[in-house]
Amino acid sequence: DTAVSQTPKYLVTQMGNDKSIKCEQNLGHDTMYWYKQDSKKFLKIMFSYNNKELIINETVPNRFSPKSPDKAHLNLHINSLELGDSAVYFCASRQGNTDTQYFGPGTRLTVL
Amino acid sequence: DQQVKQNSPSLSVQEGRISILNCDYTNSMFDYFLWYKKYPAEGPTFLISISSIKDKNEDGRFTVFLNKSAKHLSLHIVPSQPGDSAVYFCAASAEYSSASKIIFGSGTRLSIRP
Repeated sequence: DTAVSQTPKYLVTQMGNDKSIKCEQNLGHDTMYWYKQDSKKFLKIMFSYNNKELIINETVPNRFSPKSPDKAHLNLHINSLELGDSAVYFCASRQGNTDTQYFGPGTRLTVL
Repeated sequence: DQQVKQNSPSLSVQEGRISILNCDYTNSMFDYFLWYKKYPAEGPTFLISISSIKDKNEDGRFTVFLNKSAKHLSLHIVPSQPGDSAVYFCAASAEYSSASKIIFGSGTRLSIRP
């Protein structure tokens, strides 16, 4: 009964490849997020969608494209992967007017 | 530009004693503060929060204190237990056009020793 799930958990790929990370939440939340945890362990927001609409888009290279087919899913597609993209990516969701976000287990991306 | 700072990367506390984790912030627009706990290979899990209209919130062994004038908050865990060993993230949010954008600190690794 995982509330926020991500696949895959680990992803190892070569520079220049295109890859996707999937996120699903079964909490019925309206808003979903993608965060990147870099080598210094900072959790930085990348994108947020509310009911399939993009509402937060931080300064992220346009090689990163979020896609929300429905409000329970927010996938992250990354084109032309670079070494600096190596990090742990966390998906999260939030309901309505609460501030508490619920996180997925993370996807560790390693670009070789 | 770190808006939320956790200046202690690690903290070691004896089991049964009080653990105090500190956090400072710079943005006076923040109106909601949260603490998350993270175990290795797992996502952060929500622990406790406090609104800027309060100065204290308590939940069992966990208490969060907010000092708005100092832009400082702290998490107290008492008594500390071995299962409390984890990384603790302080986070803050302010409403931006219907979105809730959380800014995280860099985390403090708490180790509870027997």
